[in-house]
Amino acid sequence: GAVVSQHPSWVICKSGTSVKIECRSLDFQATTMFWYRQFPKQSLMLMATSNEGSKATYEQGVEKDKFLINHASLTLSTLTVTSAHPEDSSFYICSATRLAGLYEQYFGPGTRLTVT
Amino acid sequence: RKEVEQDPGPFNVPEGATVAFNCTYSNSASQSFFWYRQDCRKEPKLLMSVYSSGNEDGRFTAQLNRASQYISLLIRDSKLSDSATYLCVVYNAGNNRKLIWGLGTSLAVNP
Repeated sequence: GAVVSQHPSWVICKSGTSVKIECRSLDFQATTMFWYRQFPKQSLMLMATSNEGSKATYEQGVEKDKFLINHASLTLSTLTVTSAHPEDSSFYICSATRLAGLYEQYFGPGTRLTVT
Repeated sequence: RKEVEQDPGPFNVPEGATVAFNCTYSNSASQSFFWYRQDCRKEPKLLMSVYSSGNEDGRFTAQLNRASQYISLLIRDSKLSDSATYLCVVYNAGNNRKLIWGLGTSLAVNP
C-alpha cells in the first residue's frame, strides 16, 4: 500500500510556457503533500508543504507565484511551473503523508523537467 | 551550519567490504531519524528508521547517539546492488512535520 504516482514522468517544454505536474496518492488519503526539487548531485530541497483544502506553505526563496500548488482533494496535488525558464530544469518529486501527525512520507517517482 | 551534515564521499569499496556512514544533526529537539537510499535519477526510498537503542535489518545496522547528535549506518558484506546515495534524514514535529535531508553519501561497490 501507500503508492504515490506522478505524471508526467518527464517533460520537455519551451522557455516561457507553463507545465503542470500531478501527484496522486493511489490507495490512501493524503492530508499533506510535499513538493521537492532536486538538482543534479544535490540533495532534495523542499519547495512547499500542501495541505488539502488550504493554501500551500512555501519555503523561503521559493516563489509562490511561479510555482503554483493546488491540493483540491485528499488524493491529488498539482504543481504548475509558470513561465518556465531553463534554470527551472530539475527533478521534481512529491511525497504524501497518510494522516496528520504521522511523519512517514511516501514518494512519487518524480518528474524530470527540461526547459529549452 | 547545515541542519544535517554528511560526508558526501564518494566511498568506493570492493564487494564484501564493510562500510560506515556518519551523519550529524544540529537541532537537539529532533525526534525521528531515518536513512533513505536514492538511486540515480530515482526517488528516495526509505531504507530504515533509526531507533535510540540501535537497530539492525539484515546487513544494515543503524545507530543513534542523541548526546552527540550523531547517526550512523553500517553496511556489512557490501553487494554491487548497494551502490547508491544514502541520505540521512531528520524529523521534528515542531518543524511543520518537515523532513530535513542531508546531502547524501555516495557509495560505489566494485566487483
